[in-house]
Amino acid sequence: RKEVEQDPGPFNVPEGATVAFNCTYSNSASQSFFWYRQDCRKEPKLLMSVYSSGNEDGRFTAQLNRASQYISLLIRDSKLSDSATYLCVVPNTDKLIFGTGTRLQVFP
Amino acid sequence: EPEVTQTPSHQVTQMGQEVILRCVPISNHLYFYWYRQILGQKVEFLVSFYNNEISEKSEIFDDQFSVERPDGSNFTLKIRSTKLEDSAMYFCASSGGTRYNEQFFGPGTRLTVL
Repeated sequence: RKEVEQDPGPFNVPEGATVAFNCTYSNSASQSFFWYRQDCRKEPKLLMSVYSSGNEDGRFTAQLNRASQYISLLIRDSKLSDSATYLCVVPNTDKLIFGTGTRLQVFP
Repeated sequence: EPEVTQTPSHQVTQMGQEVILRCVPISNHLYFYWYRQILGQKVEFLVSFYNNEISEKSEIFDDQFSVERPDGSNFTLKIRSTKLEDSAMYFCASSGGTRYNEQFFGPGTRLTVL
């Protein structure tokens, strides 16, 4: 299994839709997990941190299933501005291990 | 809101030349990192730096690379003799506080080696 694996997409959804991204990771010792957002040719920006079973912030919900080594990100009521690549990130000692990202395109 | 800054935003150099990429981490952060992203690929870890020394480095970070914190604010990445395959976006990141593994990234330096 790859260290961090994501479906590359793209996910093309209409405004207002709910969309979910999945991520699997190989390091069973990982205690924290992150979702970053990356716009084209920009830096990754921290979207959500997950330290326990899940986290919710407005329209965004992240869930963690440690037994299956699986993390998800749910976006409700998609906006045009949500169009970006969503990166699943798992720390390993000092470093962050990035997935390849899932591209989301929200259309009017 | 405090941010990580990087200069220059774009650097073009000839193969074999030395380049220095500069970063100013968030002021109260103690952990500093460099990552790179080759166009179309995922973000890859290069090196982490804490307490004035390298704490971890990847296989990419060979003898051609070095890092330095020359003063209380700057954090630099030097590539001694650039290769074509060093062309990438280089991101600096920093972290600190109780959630020390939440890393915040600068806008990046796009390095083009000709």
